[in-house]
Amino acid sequence: DAGITQSPRHKVTETGTPVTLRCHQTENHRYMYWYRQDPGHGLRLIHYSYGVKDTDKGEVSDGYSVSRSKTEDFLLTLESATSSQTSVYFCAISESGQGTTEAFFGQGTRLTVV
Amino acid sequence: AQSVTQLGSHVSVSEGALVLLRCNYSSSVPPYLFWYVQYPNQGLQLLLKYTTGATLVKGINGFEAEFKKSETSFHLTKPSAHMSDAAEYFCAVSKGQAGTALIFGKGTTLSVSS
Repeated sequence: DAGITQSPRHKVTETGTPVTLRCHQTENHRYMYWYRQDPGHGLRLIHYSYGVKDTDKGEVSDGYSVSRSKTEDFLLTLESATSSQTSVYFCAISESGQGTTEAFFGQGTRLTVV
Repeated sequence: AQSVTQLGSHVSVSEGALVLLRCNYSSSVPPYLFWYVQYPNQGLQLLLKYTTGATLVKGINGFEAEFKKSETSFHLTKPSAHMSDAAEYFCAVSKGQAGTALIFGKGTTLSVSS
């Protein structure tokens, strides 16, 4: 299995609080991605990174920010959590970009905003 | 813009029967196409991918898919279903350029009955 660790695996938080999810990889892959998975929507891209300090927005980036200060870590922050951000969040990594090589996924973080 | 449509959010088959999961895509450039599988409470695992070359692609666990450009389709098949095939399946498309993210369909849940 690819070395991807997401933390925490489960979290319950209150509306209006900031939340940070962490993705850590040991593969030294250049590209990292954050997706959210919701019933009936599949996986939707939130943000992605193509190198240290290089990030870009995805399809559903509103209310989220990311940071990548080291190759191995990609952080997703919900600036002020809302109930609509209750979801399962997946991190993925890819060596040459998902378009050209296999993407490896983490186990997911289940976030509940109450 | 690229998009993926998976026909049928839920497919039920009997053990030993043919599995057919449908995927149609839209892409302004030659697409790279993928099928992923997700078992309960796990991340996504790559089943197979089409990039260039042979249009019939074989993957893990006896699955295969055929890229049909004229029909803009990439349907997933397996001749004989196993109970262990019960999972959610996602079709995805990308532009095939470094750094481009995968665009996922909404998923199809496969149920297998004995």
